[in-house]
Amino acid sequence: AQSVSQHNHHVILSEAASLELGCNYSYGGTVNLFWYVQYPGQHLQLLLKYFSGDPLVKGIKGFEAEFIKSKFSFNLRKPSVQWSDTAEYFCAAAFSGGGADGLTFGKGTHLIIQP
Amino acid sequence: GAVVSQHPSRVICKSGTSVKIECRSLDFQATTMFWYRQFPKQSLMLMATSNEGSKATYEQGVEKDKFLINHASLTLSTLTVTSAHPEDSSFYICSASTSGFSTDTQYFGPGTRLTVL
Repeated sequence: AQSVSQHNHHVILSEAASLELGCNYSYGGTVNLFWYVQYPGQHLQLLLKYFSGDPLVKGIKGFEAEFIKSKFSFNLRKPSVQWSDTAEYFCAAAFSGGGADGLTFGKGTHLIIQP
Repeated sequence: GAVVSQHPSRVICKSGTSVKIECRSLDFQATTMFWYRQFPKQSLMLMATSNEGSKATYEQGVEKDKFLINHASLTLSTLTVTSAHPEDSSFYICSASTSGFSTDTQYFGPGTRLTVL
C-alpha cells in the first residue's frame, strides 16, 4: 500500500544547529512530494514541493529538500534553525501523479528549538 | 496568499445529531476541495475529494452516507456528519485547490474540532 513515513516524531535542537528530517515513501510509480509546516495554533502551510526536474528543491524560510529516487526519500533540511522554526512538520505525497489527488501524510515530526 | 476558512472552529454536539462544517476559499476559486480527518497525535487521513458540481469521491472505509459532502459553488464545500457518535469526535480539516491536480498547491483551512458527547 502507498504510504509516507517520517522517522523522527520528536526532535529537539538548539538554535543555529543544522536540521534534517527524514521522509520516505512507498510507491513504485510517479509521485509528487511536499513538506508542510504547522506552527502552534495555525493551519498547515506549504514549505516546498517536488514534481520533477532538479531533485534539490528550495522552499520558504531557508528550507530545502532533496528527492532521492533510489532511496524513496525526500528529506527536509535547514542549515541553521531558529527558535521560530518550532512547529510540527509533515511530509506528504500525491501518488498517482495526475488527476485530482488528495495527499497521503506522514505522522509528522514535532520540532522544538531551544534558545 | 490563498486563504481557506472553516466554520465553526469548534463544535460540541449530542450523540445522534448532525453537524455541518463549512469550508470556504476566500480569495480564489476552488474546483476541488479535500476533506481530511486527524486523530490525536496522528497524521491527517484523506476522507474524500469533492469537485464543484459533482458527487464527492470517498476513500476506502469512509461511509458516504455518514459523511455527506456538498460542493455547490467554487468557493464553498460542506461536510455534514450525520447521526454523530462519540467515535466521530476528531479534528476535521479541509483543503482547497484551483484544479485539484497534484501539481497544484492545496491550501489548508484551520480545522474544526468536533466533540460528540
